[in-house]
Amino acid sequence: GAGVSQSPSNKVTEKGKDVELRCDPISGHTALYWYRQSLGQGLEFLIYFQGNSAPDKSGLPSDRFSAERTGGSVSTLTIQRTQQEDSAVYLCASGGKGVLRYNEQFFGPGTRLTVL
Amino acid sequence: EDQVTQSPEALRLQEGESSSLNCSYTVSGLRGLFWYRQDPGKGPEFLFTLYSAGEEKEKERLKATLTKKESFLHITAPKPEDSATYLCAVRPGGSEKLVFGKGTKLTVNP
Repeated sequence: GAGVSQSPSNKVTEKGKDVELRCDPISGHTALYWYRQSLGQGLEFLIYFQGNSAPDKSGLPSDRFSAERTGGSVSTLTIQRTQQEDSAVYLCASGGKGVLRYNEQFFGPGTRLTVL
Repeated sequence: EDQVTQSPEALRLQEGESSSLNCSYTVSGLRGLFWYRQDPGKGPEFLFTLYSAGEEKEKERLKATLTKKESFLHITAPKPEDSATYLCAVRPGGSEKLVFGKGTKLTVNP
């Protein structure tokens, strides 16, 4: 019955290092989304999963960004060779099918990434 | 290009002073307009979904309305606990992603 959870809540890394961000969606939700929220900017879509497949990766900003989802549940967003412009809050959302709830996305608390 | 513009960027109200937030949008084939509330350091909290022009939804002191070009979030007799950033988003046709505006930061003073 818990909501979307993300870990870590905060991550500080050095430029050039790789980072992994984790998302645990609401149990039973088949859709999973990643967004990025930079200071002064709106939420920016990154990638969408339906089950373990990613039919829409159009928001990934470069090939340094990748994501996977296993078992139709947990997802990991990986950023390789981090740059300072990657600093942002990374938000995960999940959504399920149902008469009233098909279109809504429910967000986790986010991971604040700081690249020094 | 799908676009969402929210106004004002910031709004200060006295407790009990009703007002409205605006969300203007251009989108190809709207499949839902969404309102979220975001508190500092937290993820967005879902408030409403509106699907067609003329639709209205209410929750406590909040009422959301939708036309073909914009949505309003009306806040009646706000309280300090209503202070937050309110985000508007649209889902374009043929897409599962949400396109967000930059939000309106609401402050309600006691």
